[in-house]
Amino acid sequence: QVHLQQSGPGLVKPSQTLSLTCVISGDSVSSNSAAWNWIRQSPSRGLEWLGRTYYRSKWYHDYEVSVKSRITINPDTAKNQFSLQVNSVTPEDTAVYYCARDNGKLGHDYWGQGTLVTVSS
Amino acid sequence: QSALTQPASVSGSPGQSITISCTGTSSDVGGFNIVSWYQQHPGKAPKIMIYEVSMRPSGVSNRFSGSKSGNTASLTISGLQAEDEADYYCCSYAGSTTWVFGGGTKLTVL
Repeated sequence: QVHLQQSGPGLVKPSQTLSLTCVISGDSVSSNSAAWNWIRQSPSRGLEWLGRTYYRSKWYHDYEVSVKSRITINPDTAKNQFSLQVNSVTPEDTAVYYCARDNGKLGHDYWGQGTLVTVSS
Repeated sequence: QSALTQPASVSGSPGQSITISCTGTSSDVGGFNIVSWYQQHPGKAPKIMIYEVSMRPSGVSNRFSGSKSGNTASLTISGLQAEDEADYYCCSYAGSTTWVFGGGTKLTVL
């Protein structure tokens, strides 16, 4: 059974960097079939896919175009986890952030518990 | 990438059937048979109900079914139960290794 456990601060000041971590159990961040996603949810935007990282003989990173310039998703093989960084945050980045596994055609089959991140001074 | 279009709300009585639509373009829903549906109860993470347009994960009731025609995917819930009341989201592969979600539909069981 796969389990994703998220951690990170719930409050970030405008212009600073949002950082979240997702620890994986029951699978490997280096899996050759899974990809590791970050998705956020806000009342105004609904569910919004941000990006993912995955390993297929080498590491790949895919990002949603509208946030690509500000976000980084990185794997940490030593700790079997992956992280999200969003730079230069504004109140528009306030949302519940989820990590999730996608297994290609099988969809996003496992999700973290969600972390409410508020951007406010 | 624009969000997929879903009705804001649908409702039905216990025992009835409802269908939620999810409209995209030929670049996402219409271009790939990689559409999934998620159920989300308040304060919880989304749960996958359908993948690959019409496939049910193990443990999901056969009252949930999915289909697709052209650029529109659909989720049908038959024999509505009170526990089905939730928000439902569609998701499609959008090419160039990206994903796009629908805006969500609130299902009310009357």
